[in-house]
Amino acid sequence: AQSVTQLGSHVSVSEGALVLLRCNYSSSVPPYLFWYVQYPNQGLQLLLKYTSAATLVKGINGFEAEFKKSETSFHLTKPSAHMSDAAEYFCAVSHTGANSKLTFGKGITLSVRP
Amino acid sequence: GAGVSQSPSNKVTEKGKDVELRCDPISGHTALYWYRQSLGQGLEFLIYFQGNSAPDKSGLPSDRFSAERTGGSVSTLTIQRTQQEDSAVYLCASSSETGSYEQYFGPGTRLTVT
Repeated sequence: AQSVTQLGSHVSVSEGALVLLRCNYSSSVPPYLFWYVQYPNQGLQLLLKYTSAATLVKGINGFEAEFKKSETSFHLTKPSAHMSDAAEYFCAVSHTGANSKLTFGKGITLSVRP
Repeated sequence: GAGVSQSPSNKVTEKGKDVELRCDPISGHTALYWYRQSLGQGLEFLIYFQGNSAPDKSGLPSDRFSAERTGGSVSTLTIQRTQQEDSAVYLCASSSETGSYEQYFGPGTRLTVT
């Protein structure tokens, strides 16, 4: 069975600082991995996805993530935080890829200080 | 184009009543998913439809929960004899069959059982 671990529930950074949100996965088969963002009172929006192609994945809004099989990690980064990045971020794993249910981590709330 | 829509956006019901939640997927998307988001449990998968059939119902928490999809489009999630622990945000997502792996989420229905 697949699972996702997001350590901590809240990260606070200053505007312009590096954003690093950690995600570790457990999977018995090659995983498909995703990062979603949720703004208050909205649904989930896909930031980026790893589907067994390039291990460094670039997404929207300047975010990127690197798939590291040896560390079973898929950490999300952004070089310079903006106030508009304040939201909740979810890492997810897909069981079989296309048209497959997602298993989500608990989510991390990102706060950005002026 | 239009995204995934859900109705109602908010629903308050009394314990023991039945409720119906509706999801309109993106036109042409054959796959449809229901998830539940609650404070205690995070984001949980409920059920997956491919066309009008549901090959994966493994996430439905009890037999009080059921869902159907008609015409390969609109889906209804029904909760019978609601309990306070059913209070959550119910999210619907859809995806195409072309293997893009991306699920597009609706804004959700916030259900409060009093």
